[in-house]
Amino acid sequence: GNSVTQMEGPVTLSEEAFLTINCTYTATGYPSLFWYVQYPGEGLQLLLKATKADDKGSNKGFEATYRKETTSFHLEKGSVQVSDSAVYFCALSRRGSGNTGKLIFGQGTTLQVKP
Amino acid sequence: DVKVTQSSRYLVKRTGEKVFLECVQDMDHENMFWYRQDPGLGLRLIYFSYDVKMKEKGDIPEGYSVSREKKERFSLILESASTNQTSMYLCASSFDGGIITDTQYFGPGTRLTVL
Repeated sequence: GNSVTQMEGPVTLSEEAFLTINCTYTATGYPSLFWYVQYPGEGLQLLLKATKADDKGSNKGFEATYRKETTSFHLEKGSVQVSDSAVYFCALSRRGSGNTGKLIFGQGTTLQVKP
Repeated sequence: DVKVTQSSRYLVKRTGEKVFLECVQDMDHENMFWYRQDPGLGLRLIYFSYDVKMKEKGDIPEGYSVSREKKERFSLILESASTNQTSMYLCASSFDGGIITDTQYFGPGTRLTVL
């Protein structure tokens, strides 16, 4: 079946450090891949997405590349800020009734950035 | 901006009570979703709806039902609340573009405690 596995958290970094959050997936067919972010006390919001192999999604300094050969979609940022502290979710899409895109989420990785 | 609102941020109910969680979106989206979020498990899909009066079970529908009488409103119903339904509940909506890459927009969540 379809599934998403993220690295265990929490991840604690100092400001301006390099960030990598690993995400691997198992899926039939060719899913689209997403990273969502949840800031404290809020719902999830889309951070970036990629719809086919070798696509790179990017937003707010974050990047992730859809690697079909390694079934991975690792999230990276060159220099994190305190304001990046949040929970990050990797997800893949699958098709439901009425052509609805349904998401399967990883367990989430908490990032804490210290000044 | 898309806005997804949920009726309560925090809710405390007693075992056996009937509980209604309401979600409203203002972007005329066809698709609406209910998830629960638990630590270490990520988000799990309870039910979704791809049109008015249409619904489909997600991965964990047991103990829940839903209602969608109007396009903008999607209700989650706990017929007889139990302590294992204590969780964060997140509603989301998406546009039906006929492809599975459509972004889901999330509400702020309702933290339900069942005593």
